[in-house]
Amino acid sequence: DAGITQSPRHKVTETGTPVTLRCHQTENHRYMYWYRQDPGHGLRLIHYSYGVKDTDKGEVSDGYSVSRSKTEDFLLTLESATSSQTSVYFCATRGEVDTQYFGPGTRLTVL
Amino acid sequence: GDSVTQMEGPVTLSEEAFLTINCTYTATGYPSLFWYVQYPGEGLQLLLKATKADDKGSNKGFEATYRKETTSFHLEKGSVQVSDSAVYFCALKVGGGADGLTFGKGTHLIIQP
Repeated sequence: DAGITQSPRHKVTETGTPVTLRCHQTENHRYMYWYRQDPGHGLRLIHYSYGVKDTDKGEVSDGYSVSRSKTEDFLLTLESATSSQTSVYFCATRGEVDTQYFGPGTRLTVL
Repeated sequence: GDSVTQMEGPVTLSEEAFLTINCTYTATGYPSLFWYVQYPGEGLQLLLKATKADDKGSNKGFEATYRKETTSFHLEKGSVQVSDSAVYFCALKVGGGADGLTFGKGTHLIIQP
């Protein structure tokens, strides 16, 4: 398994507060991804990165921003959390072949 | 756009039964195909993959064959165990670009002893 950690693993927050989720990898993979998992939807791509400071939007990017200042770290920020952003968030990485490796997930609850 | 369709379940089987989870896809190009498994409380793990037509991916007794003519990648196992209880996701990726995988909605598999 690729060395991927996510922090925090669980978070409860209130509507309107900012939230930052962190993904850290030790594999030196170029590509990193943020997905959200919701019942009935599978996993949907939020944002992805193809290098330091190089990011792009995915399918469900509204309300989210990302940053990647180092190869190993990819941050996902909810500027003003809403109840619709209650979800399980997964980070993934990919090297030069097409296989993605997933972190353990962060369960976020927005009250 | 690209999409993946799979039965959502739950699918409930008895131990040692034969398993098939259907997966069909539509893609704008020539995709690579994947099956991921998610055990309770964990992230997704790659189970198997296939990158071209007629390739068979296999791992831990699971198999899936890339069928271009039927745009399918059905997951099979000859004899399931209680430990196979999990959610299974079919996914695809077209091309070598940076964008992510397209997932099906997942199939919840329950194996009863």
